[in-house]
Amino acid sequence: AQSVTQLGSHVSVSEGALVLLRCNYSSSVPPYLFWYVQYPNQGLQLLLKYTTGATLVKGINGFEAEFKKSETSFHLTKPSAHMSDAAEYFCAVSGATNAGKSTFGDGTTLTVKP
Amino acid sequence: SAVISQKPSRDICQRGTSLTIQCQVDSQVTMMFWYRQQPGQSLTLIATANQGSEATYESGFVIDKFPISRPNLTFSTLTVSNMSPEDSSIYLCSTKTRGSYNEQFFGPGTRLTVL
Repeated sequence: AQSVTQLGSHVSVSEGALVLLRCNYSSSVPPYLFWYVQYPNQGLQLLLKYTTGATLVKGINGFEAEFKKSETSFHLTKPSAHMSDAAEYFCAVSGATNAGKSTFGDGTTLTVKP
Repeated sequence: SAVISQKPSRDICQRGTSLTIQCQVDSQVTMMFWYRQQPGQSLTLIATANQGSEATYESGFVIDKFPISRPNLTFSTLTVSNMSPEDSSIYLCSTKTRGSYNEQFFGPGTRLTVL
């Protein structure tokens, strides 16, 4: 069984400020972890993923996330927010098998204020 | 990676009618997924469609309401049958490619409004 909890359905930051979106997961097997972004009227696209190896993963658009097994967390960060980062962000977990289906969190809406 | 297109991009339908959504992938894939995303909410998996076998439906979704076809490795359709306003949602097609560590690729979605 697996689940994802995203803390905070809405996050608002000022342009240039740190972005922190929180994600906690549970999984009965070693997890693969993902962050996806959804811009208005578009499908989801992958920001970054953790599979194995280095626990700090870097993604597109300056985002990164750190896998912390002891905390069962995979928080997404970006040092300096840009107006174009305003979107919906989804954390997801799947089991580390080829047949694994992903479970998605409820999403966090990021607003960036000028 | 995979590039996915969906048709139609949006539609407004009358109660009691049906709509078929098409999903085309630019490469051959084994698994295709259909999701529903209601306004301001997360993704809910409707079913998984594997080529050559019946679709597997998640709890709360039935074949009579959401029949799925998967005629080949690049194409799938989802029909929303006997629609009611509660079916108003965004429907997303998704897939994952071999060796992608379960990373999923998504189509742009079909925005359905039922009056």
